Amino acid sequence: SAVISQKPSRDICQRGTSLTIQCQVDSQVTMMFWYRQQPGQSLTLIATANQGSEATYESGFVIDKFPISRPNLTFSTLTVSNMSPEDSSIYLCSVVDVGHNEQFFGPGTRLTVL
Amino acid sequence: AQSVTQPDIHITVSEGASLELRCNYSYGATPYLFWYVQSPGQGLQLLLKYFSGDTLVQGIKGFEAEFKRSQSSFNLRKPSVHWSDAAEYFCAVGIYLGASKLTFGTGTRLQVTL
Repeated sequence: SAVISQKPSRDICQRGTSLTIQCQVDSQVTMMFWYRQQPGQSLTLIATANQGSEATYESGFVIDKFPISRPNLTFSTLTVSNMSPEDSSIYLCSVVDVGHNEQFFGPGTRLTVL
Repeated sequence: AQSVTQPDIHITVSEGASLELRCNYSYGATPYLFWYVQSPGQGLQLLLKYFSGDTLVQGIKGFEAEFKRSQSSFNLRKPSVHWSDAAEYFCAVGIYLGASKLTFGTGTRLQVTL
């Protein structure tokens, strides 16, 4: 299975600022996703991070708020821009092992916006 | 669009008792179904998955799940619960290449009493 790391593991930020979350995978993967888990809620897919092209966003999420980069097959970043307290969530990246039809998740980044 | 319903928000069982967590899905074609567990402060771990074939699937940690197409259900079971099973359990449905773009249920929080 893929080993995924995320940085930072947690952060406390002021409203109006931005935070970039990094996701690193120990092997090359084709498909990588970013999810949000709001307090006490389930996971919601934000976007698919596409290598070499613009990310594909789900309904309700826009690039200006959540810009995503995917410079290669092992790394991606998600930026949460112009943060408000409503952005306080756990943000998780995930990768798909196509051969085994499994999706592996990183440990998450716990973001608190004051 | 696909959806997942987990009717039980919170379940409490005694250690050693049997467990069944309910999951109902809505999807027009054959679904790819997953159960994940999220322990406090941890990322998501895949317990088991169903794509096709035998409708009773075995997973890790002694869990199993049964796919019932007629009931659109994929309930998770364990014959004897251990205190370490206390966690949040998520059912998810995937489309496109099996594990991609997962839609999660709202989760069931399992509490185990000694």
